[in-house]
Amino acid sequence: QKEVEQNSGPLSVPEGAIASLNCTYSDRVSQSFFWYRQYSGKSPELIMSIYSNGDKEDGRFTAQLNKASQYVSLLIRDSQPSDSATYLCAVAYGNNRLAFGKGNQVVVIP
Amino acid sequence: DADVTQTPRNRITKTGKRIMLECSQTKGHDRMYWYRQDPGLGLRLIYYSFDVKDINKGEISDGYSVSRQAQAKFSLSLESAIPNQTALYFCATSDPGRGGTDTQYFGPGTRLTVL
Repeated sequence: QKEVEQNSGPLSVPEGAIASLNCTYSDRVSQSFFWYRQYSGKSPELIMSIYSNGDKEDGRFTAQLNKASQYVSLLIRDSQPSDSATYLCAVAYGNNRLAFGKGNQVVVIP
Repeated sequence: DADVTQTPRNRITKTGKRIMLECSQTKGHDRMYWYRQDPGLGLRLIYYSFDVKDINKGEISDGYSVSRQAQAKFSLSLESAIPNQTALYFCATSDPGRGGTDTQYFGPGTRLTVL
């Protein structure tokens, strides 16, 4: 069983602030990492993928990967009420499977 | 039209009944997956298939079976439903990525309740 940990409880951020989410994983050989957003009662949708150490930016989202420390993070800049959702960290392992964390709920307060 | 569809969207059934959840996709992807999602437990892989002749068990396959009828169709069956199979079920598809792991695309989900 591959472990993907998202330990933070619900995160409340004021509108316009930065939301920071963290994820750690157990499989040292994993090479591919994903962040999915899931609105309540809806399906997960991909917002970011990252494969190399460092930062990857896409609009207001930045993913950060550190393979040596086995963590991946997601920053949401200028948070909007529409960003209120659960964010799922996913880590690839053998045979193109994904292991998912339990998710972090983000609430953006207007 | 949605690229990945699931039927039914909601189902209430009784313990011991056989039930089938269906997934169809128009994305042309070879790879398909079935997950279940439970509050507090995240998404867990039940079965996956990389082509019509390739079926693989995931981490929680006990109590489930699957059928890959065509490239575009992947069905999940509960032969004798039990209450702890009450969950939100997602189908996903993917296409081999370039150098990295496939990106998975999820269907809208089926909410199953077993009484």
